[in-house]
Amino acid sequence: GAVVSQHPSWVICKSGTSVKIECRSLDFQATTMFWYRQFPKQSLMLMATSNEGSKATYEQGVEKDKFLINHASLTLSTLTVTSAHPEDSSFYICSAREAGYSYNSPLHFGNGTRLTVT
Amino acid sequence: KNEVEQSPQNLTAQEGEFITINCSYSVGISALHWLQQHPGGGIVSLFMLSSGKKKHGRLIATINIQEKHSSLHITASHPRDSAVYICAVRSEKRVNNDMRFGAGTRLTVKP
Repeated sequence: GAVVSQHPSWVICKSGTSVKIECRSLDFQATTMFWYRQFPKQSLMLMATSNEGSKATYEQGVEKDKFLINHASLTLSTLTVTSAHPEDSSFYICSAREAGYSYNSPLHFGNGTRLTVT
Repeated sequence: KNEVEQSPQNLTAQEGEFITINCSYSVGISALHWLQQHPGGGIVSLFMLSSGKKKHGRLIATINIQEKHSSLHITASHPRDSAVYICAVRSEKRVNNDMRFGAGTRLTVKP
């Protein structure tokens, strides 16, 4: 089946530094990738939608200058948390929508990245 | 009001019980997804529906497009079914951010 690899699975960083999270579709091409964050015991919160080769569309309330998203190829999207603060500590998940479907495409998820900012 | 509403928020069942989780949405959609998130965080896509009914093992998903409602049923529930179940819809509008998610239903199945 289709696999989405998310890396790293966990990261600890100091306040003020930047952290990059990668999301790769291993055996399919993804025209669209989604980034979410999730706080403990809460559901997924969609942060942004990224389409290959174009600017990401951010959800209301998500700072685009703080959460930089790049989707330069059909198999890779990255989320960079810039100048991280402890309140950015969360679980970040990506998902990828398969290309090649004219209408409804399957959705595949990464295993998530647990970010802790100290 | 959220565009995707799930009920119940939390559900505790005894092993063997039949379980139903509901999802209502207020937008026109092209597809509805049921997702399962285990305590470790990983998410699995269980179903993608645009009409009718789908079955996979002990799981059944139905959708009524006219009523904008979907249900996820689990027959003969088992403790390993304990997870958060999330309903997500893809809007029929062709915009970049076309996915909307429910808040999830936390299911606990006790032995």
